[in-house]
Amino acid sequence: DAKTTQPTSMDCAEGRAANLPCNHSTISGNEYVYWYRQIHSQGPQYIIHGLKNNETNEMASLIITEDRKSSTLILPHATLRDTAVYYCIVLSGGSNYKLTFGKGTLLTVNP
Amino acid sequence: NAGVTQTPKFRILKIGQSMTLQCTQDMNHNYMYWYRQDPGMGLKLIYYSVGAGITDKGEVPNGYNVSRSTTEDFPLRLELAAPSQTSVYFCASSYGGGSYNEQFFGPGTRLTVL
Repeated sequence: DAKTTQPTSMDCAEGRAANLPCNHSTISGNEYVYWYRQIHSQGPQYIIHGLKNNETNEMASLIITEDRKSSTLILPHATLRDTAVYYCIVLSGGSNYKLTFGKGTLLTVNP
Repeated sequence: NAGVTQTPKFRILKIGQSMTLQCTQDMNHNYMYWYRQDPGMGLKLIYYSVGAGITDKGEVPNGYNVSRSTTEDFPLRLELAAPSQTSVYFCASSYGGGSYNEQFFGPGTRLTVL
């Protein structure tokens, strides 16, 4: 699976959009981009995933560049409860199921 | 649905003791996983299972054993506990792999080995 690079930490004001970048320049054509988050002391929580097209669900939007070498997770209206570590993970398609968690980005949402 | 449940929530072991961490899921998922998370680090995969009777090693399997006799349960056994096994342990399950790899995590078991 391709490696990912994320900033160590980011800040965001409550109510504003949080844009979390992820670089995955060695991604292959059949590899998915997954995002999880981990609120302090809790188990990780799935947010969203995509292959080529942009994706949106009730939690967030995922924007993948046309060359697929980077992506951005967007939380449209961040709240204090969105303060967490966000993990960007690249995973092969097919039967691959072993997520590799890096250190992620600590997003702090400030009042 | 309760999702993924883990017991116990906390445990202190002495060096050399053994214990079993319990994990149960009620979503009828085929895939189950055990991770450990050391302070300030990401999760590391210990063992995983793609179905009842099938298990395989992950990234850090030494010192642990697993079994999967039912779809619902995936216990993790620690034999001869060592201080290096002090960590938070998370169990997870998913429907499948690839594009179906939305993993659901339990609340974790915080283990200290003294």
